[in-house]
This record gives sequence, structure tokens and C-alpha cells, in this order.
Amino acid sequence: AQSVTQPDIHITVSEGASLELRCNYSYGATPYLFWYVQSPGQGLQLLLKYFSGDTLVQGIKGFEAEFKRSQSSFNLRKPSVHWSDAAEYFCAVGAVSSGSARQLTFGSGTQLTVLP
Amino acid sequence: KAGVTQTPRYLIKTRGQQVTLSCSPISGHRSVSWYQQTPGQGLQFLFEYFSETQRNKGNFPGRFSGRQFSNSRSEMNVSTLELGDSALYLCASSTAPQINYGYTFGSGTRLTVV
Repeated sequence: AQSVTQPDIHITVSEGASLELRCNYSYGATPYLFWYVQSPGQGLQLLLKYFSGDTLVQGIKGFEAEFKRSQSSFNLRKPSVHWSDAAEYFCAVGAVSSGSARQLTFGSGTQLTVLP
Repeated sequence: KAGVTQTPRYLIKTRGQQVTLSCSPISGHRSVSWYQQTPGQGLQFLFEYFSETQRNKGNFPGRFSGRQFSNSRSEMNVSTLELGDSALYLCASSTAPQINYGYTFGSGTRLTVV
């Protein structure tokens, strides 16, 4: 079974600083990887996804993530954080079996605080 | 284009009661998945429906059930509510039940069991 680990429960950065959120996955085959963001009281918004091809993927709001198969990682990065980026971030893996996948397995999330 | 609509947004129920939550997917989306989010367990998959059929089910007791209608709208039902069922219930829709189509989540229904 697949699993996702987000080692950092809470990260605090200053506005304008760079950001990297870590994600490690466990899955036997090529995973489908996602990053979602959740603001308080809201649902999940997809930031970016990786299925295949270029291992550096660009997403919305200036985020990017790099898939590293050798490290089983899919870390999320942003060069300059804005106060509006404060939220909880979830990494997820979707397994593929028999040609289709029907569920996402989420990490426990990383809460991002942005200092002015 | 309207997003995924979940109703109601908030709900308070008493232990032992049952509850029904509703999800209207994005127009044209035929696959609907449900997730439970709690502080202790995080986000957990409940089930997925496509073409009115349950295609996949997570590890939840039989008190949790769902269905999908011909217009792709979905409902989930929880019977004999327990305090531990208090959670944010999220619905996600997709064009089809394949991971590469991506999922769009609704804002959720916050259920509180007292």
C-alpha cells in the first residue's frame, strides 16, 4: 500500500523568503503525485501534479515541485513567499492499478505560517 | 463554471442520529469521491462513485454509505452517529475515475456530533 510522509508539521517563514516543503512517498510503481493547499474552513485546492515526463513541475501561485525517484521525494518550493500563502499544505499520492486509480493517499499536512 | 457544491456547510447532530450530506459535482464530471478529514486521522478516503456505482471503498464501518444519482450528484449517509464522526467531509469530482484526470474538491461539510 502507498503512504506519504510530510516530516514538517509546522513551518514558519518570513514574507519574501524562500520555501521548501518536504514530501516523501512510498509506492512500488511510478506514482501520481499531487500538492494541495487548504485555507482555514475551506476545501483543498490543487497546486500542481506530477504524472510523468519532466521531473520539475510548475503549478499555480508560483509554486513548483521536483520529483526525485531515487529519494522517493516530491518537495514543494516557492522562491518568495507571500503572506497569502499561509495555509496548510498536503502532499498526496495516487496509485495506479489495472489502468486506473481511484483514491488519493494524503500526508498529514504541513502548516505554513508567514511572518510579516 | 460552478465548482463542486457541498451542502450543508455546517451540521450539528446528536449521537445515535443519522445524517445525509450532499455533493453536486462540476458539470460534466461523473466521478465523485468522498474523504473524511479529522485532526487525528487526517484525510482518509471513504468511497468513490462513477455511473451510479460504487467503484472503490475505504476502510470505514458499514455505518458510512453513499450513493450517486443519474445526474452524478452524490449523497453520503452516516447512521448511528458517534462522537468520533465529527469531521470535515470533503467531496471531490472528476471527469472519470482515473487519477490523471485530477480531482476538484468542494469546501466540505463540517459535521459536529454532540
